[in-house]
Amino acid sequence: NAGVTQTPKFRVLKTGQSMTLLCAQDMNHEYMYWYRQDPGMGLRLIHYSVGEGTTAKGEVPDGYNVSRLKKQNFLLGLESAAPSQTSVYFCASSGDGNSPLHFGNGTRLTVT
Amino acid sequence: AQRVTQPEKLLSVFKGAPVELKCNYSYSGSPELFWYVQYSRQRLQLLLRHISRESIKGFTADLNKGETSFHLKKPFAQEEDSAMYYCAIYNQGGKLIFGQGTELSVKP
Repeated sequence: NAGVTQTPKFRVLKTGQSMTLLCAQDMNHEYMYWYRQDPGMGLRLIHYSVGEGTTAKGEVPDGYNVSRLKKQNFLLGLESAAPSQTSVYFCASSGDGNSPLHFGNGTRLTVT
Repeated sequence: AQRVTQPEKLLSVFKGAPVELKCNYSYSGSPELFWYVQYSRQRLQLLLRHISRESIKGFTADLNKGETSFHLKKPFAQEEDSAMYYCAIYNQGGKLIFGQGTELSVKP
């Protein structure tokens, strides 16, 4: 089992460009999450999903969109990147909300 | 709204000293609380959860509803405990919210 896989690992964008971060899990988990990690801010929840075809807003959803068309994949989109979105993005999944989260290795995004 | 506060950004102790990482929460219902750890160059991973009432790597955490706290403790810190520690709270809607994190540095 690969667990939770995030692609890409690194990306540099110019302001206004768009991109999609992919998260894939092979554990048949229902719940999936996208977080961003910033110094001094900890992990902040962007969006999450409690099952295929569902998404919900987290703490800092503005500027991001997500889709969960397939149970194993959770996509995070940036339509028009801004420097404030420079961060490390983590995807995580769990079997249900009470179960431990399994994290990916992170994607380091820089927006210039 | 649920919230988790970790007041210390950095905690530095010497090897063998006791350590306590503070976590306070606000939540109107019965909280589910967790501690996650991120060692250097590794993924975030679960350290322990309050419902398990277990000790992992010598760490324990007790839920104190009166003080709304879930502090992480270890009587004798080891150098390999150096890491980022995150307290997190879960609500029944599926949200898992993390605190700001505390960097623990254990010096020889």
